[in-house]
Amino acid sequence: DAGVIQSPRHEVTEMGQEVTLRCKPISGHDYLFWYRQTMMRGLELLIYFNNNVPIDDSGMPEDRFSAKMPNASFSTLKIQPSEPRDSAVYFCASSPMTVGYTFGSGTRLTVV
Amino acid sequence: AQSVTQLDSQVPVFEEAPVELRCNYSSSVSVYLFWYVQYPNQGLQLLLKYLSGSTLVKGINGFEAEFNKSQTSFHLRKPSVHISDTAEYFCALSFGNEKLTFGTGTRLTIIP
Repeated sequence: DAGVIQSPRHEVTEMGQEVTLRCKPISGHDYLFWYRQTMMRGLELLIYFNNNVPIDDSGMPEDRFSAKMPNASFSTLKIQPSEPRDSAVYFCASSPMTVGYTFGSGTRLTVV
Repeated sequence: AQSVTQLDSQVPVFEEAPVELRCNYSSSVSVYLFWYVQYPNQGLQLLLKYLSGSTLVKGINGFEAEFNKSQTSFHLRKPSVHISDTAEYFCALSFGNEKLTFGTGTRLTIIP
């Protein structure tokens, strides 16, 4: 099992540009989570899906953020337009019906 | 609301000494409890989890934790630490497969 795969590992972009982060969950996992980690706020849940359906997006900071899960094996988190305060490490995690979260290695986003 | 408190932001420990990282939670209903470890520039790795049953939970790398319902605690312990244990440790809780709520983390530093 390759685990949760995130791409890219690092992203540097200019303010105002669109950024797309990608995640491939573990096959057979029904839940997918997007978290953001910063020094100031720690680990925050942005949104999570169950069977490709968004369940709770209350953590999405503003309309510039959007997430999709078009199928069971792929999810994207998009920021448009990006701002310097969006700089953080973004983690994707997946979980089966039984409790057990597996995290990806994260995408380190830097907006300059 | 449910919350997780890690009172110690940093814990320095001499190599081969025992360590305890403290975690307290607040919840009006039963929860699942987790400890994750994050090595520098890496994702989060599950150390151990408490779902039900025995209150003493053993995890990877020689770590264990004890669930104490009366004190609403889930402290992490290791009898003898090694340099390789240097990392950040996060306590977290969830209700089934809903979102994980994380504590602010404890940075464990091993002194040679």
